[in-house]
Amino acid sequence: EAGVAQSPRYKIIEKRQSVAFWCNPISGHATLYWYQQILGQGPKLLIQFQNNGVVDDSQLPKDRFSAERLKGVDSTLKIQPAKLEDSAVYLCASSTQDWIDTQYFGPGTRLTVL
Amino acid sequence: ELKVEQNPLFLSMQEGKNYTIYCNYSTTSDRLYWYRQDPGKSLESLFVLLSNGAVKQEGRLMASLDTKARLSTLHITAAVHDLSATYFCAVDWGQGAQKLVFGQGTRLTINP
Repeated sequence: EAGVAQSPRYKIIEKRQSVAFWCNPISGHATLYWYQQILGQGPKLLIQFQNNGVVDDSQLPKDRFSAERLKGVDSTLKIQPAKLEDSAVYLCASSTQDWIDTQYFGPGTRLTVL
Repeated sequence: ELKVEQNPLFLSMQEGKNYTIYCNYSTTSDRLYWYRQDPGKSLESLFVLLSNGAVKQEGRLMASLDTKARLSTLHITAAVHDLSATYFCAVDWGQGAQKLVFGQGTRLTINP
């Protein structure tokens, strides 16, 4: 079974530029999550989708971050404009519709904002 | 706001020794997850604990959950170098949808 795929794996941008990350979840997984992991910390949930609807985006900085999940499968997370404090690893995870199922994480995208 | 605290944050131990990582949380929950993260890699699921008194074991790792004390432990028995990693606990406080809050992580280094 293929795991969660993310791209790119690394991205370096200047502050005020925009950037987008892509995630392809495990086939059949209805729930998709985006997390931000700052160096030395645990992941922090940014947004959660159930199929193509948003379940929770309470911690998403909506003035600069946006996310969508196309046709309930792939998802993109965008930052525009980026700030220095956005430097982090952005992790995508997916799980089945069973709300107690464990989440399966992708390899992450490491973003450096200069 | 749910707070999840792990201790210790850093642990250096010798092979063959036993140790325990603690995960305390501030709000009632009976669902807790343990993950492992190797340097530069993503998170790998270790255990899912879904009720008070739940105990799960895999190899040299054993996890338990005490919902009344709001405490989970990850016990390492006779540590080996391959267990060196960062370990995260995550508490689910969602109702009908999983909402995880992660601890800060415990960086475990096992020396030969």
